[in-house]
Amino acid sequence: QQQVKQSPQSLIVQKGGIPIINCAYENTAFDYFPWYQQFPGKGPALLIAIRPDVSEKKEGRFTISFNKSAKQFSLHIMDSQPGDSATYFCAASYYSGGYQKVTFGTGTKLQVIP
Amino acid sequence: NAGVTQTPKFQVLKTGQSMTLQCAQDMNHEYMSWYRQDPGMGLRLIHYSVGAGITDQGEVPNGYNVSRSTTEDFPLRLLSAAPSQTSVYFCASSYSNVIGYGYTFGSGTRLTVV
Repeated sequence: QQQVKQSPQSLIVQKGGIPIINCAYENTAFDYFPWYQQFPGKGPALLIAIRPDVSEKKEGRFTISFNKSAKQFSLHIMDSQPGDSATYFCAASYYSGGYQKVTFGTGTKLQVIP
Repeated sequence: NAGVTQTPKFQVLKTGQSMTLQCAQDMNHEYMSWYRQDPGMGLRLIHYSVGAGITDQGEVPNGYNVSRSTTEDFPLRLLSAAPSQTSVYFCASSYSNVIGYGYTFGSGTRLTVV
């Protein structure tokens, strides 16, 4: 099963709050889990990524938590700001046949209100 | 450093017309792909290429053709446009053989078929 299930579909938080976006997968061959951030009218941009050999990765205010046994991973945004308002996609990939095979989640539209 | 360049940014077609969406990258990436983005559906893979002269189908290939004559360019052709092809199209590129390297996306082409 190649699906990556992402929730929630949309999320509204107040400035300073900590939005959490969750993703779950089935395929245990996945070995790279990136998150992409997309602003309106723009293409997705790589935000942060994690490999399954670590349980957490932080880059600035963005943190990925990874639970290998549950096959789940999540994105936390600390001290969220209105400028974080965007659509966030999780993804999972594995290397096969000479290239990465990537599956994207369906996206979460985040709105951070002042 | 242009990254991934897509043209045009916007296009309106009549049903039955054909057109080519252009994609070019200047990062010497072997892997290039086309996605369509529809509300609630996330990013769905149309076609991909792992190098010049090598292409393959993705999840939703019907109605689209691709070719890859150079490393830099990966055009997407709509053979006979249908309203169901109204969508935002993204081209993405990556290194094929580097584990843990994310995608670079273009800024998208918003296509409306009437």
